[in-house]
Amino acid sequence: NAGVTQTPKFQVLKTGQSMTLQCAQDMNHEYMSWYRQDPGMGLRLIHYSVGAGITDQGEVPNGYNVSRSTTEDFPLRLLSAAPSQTSVYFCASSHRDSRAWYFGPGTRLTVT
Amino acid sequence: AQKITQTQPGMFVQEKEAVTLDCTYDTSDPSYGLFWYKQPSSGEMIFLIYQGSYDQQNATEGRYSLNFQKARKSANLVISASQLGDSAMYFCAMRARNSGGYQKVTFGIGTKLQVIP
Repeated sequence: NAGVTQTPKFQVLKTGQSMTLQCAQDMNHEYMSWYRQDPGMGLRLIHYSVGAGITDQGEVPNGYNVSRSTTEDFPLRLLSAAPSQTSVYFCASSHRDSRAWYFGPGTRLTVT
Repeated sequence: AQKITQTQPGMFVQEKEAVTLDCTYDTSDPSYGLFWYKQPSSGEMIFLIYQGSYDQQNATEGRYSLNFQKARKSANLVISASQLGDSAMYFCAMRARNSGGYQKVTFGIGTKLQVIP
């Protein structure tokens, strides 16, 4: 049981490049979310999903796309990276009405 | 809209003393949940404690307890007998349904706790 896994751990991109941050969980959780963490701003919700095929926007969705074709995977796509997207990205998952959310280890992204 | 507010950017506590970290929330969902997470300098998010809106008693987990005051919409974390290893960022979070009926979890901006020997 690996829990929530994220790849890569670190990434450096140039402005305008695209990439996908991967997130996977093996706990059959319905709910998955992406957050970004910036100093002094806590964790802000980017996109979330309540099941395969169902996604919704969070507080800061601009510049990011998601899809959820399987229960296990919830990739986050940056279509054209900008320096403002430099951040630490966390993926989390949970069962509905669960008393805990499980976090991945995070991806540190730098856009130059 | 749901909102979590943590108003203490930083706190100091003497080792072995108790400390309270404040959290207030707002939501129109009557069935919500409140969480506290710890983030040490290594960066991982560690789940500490959970309180459901319909739970009759305040949640406790070892040295952590949640002072849940529903009418005041507050969910303060109390750490008893602080240890040096408690030095970390602490985040309050809330799970609630939005107007579309989907559950989502939103976080406060965190409180940095430093334990002094």
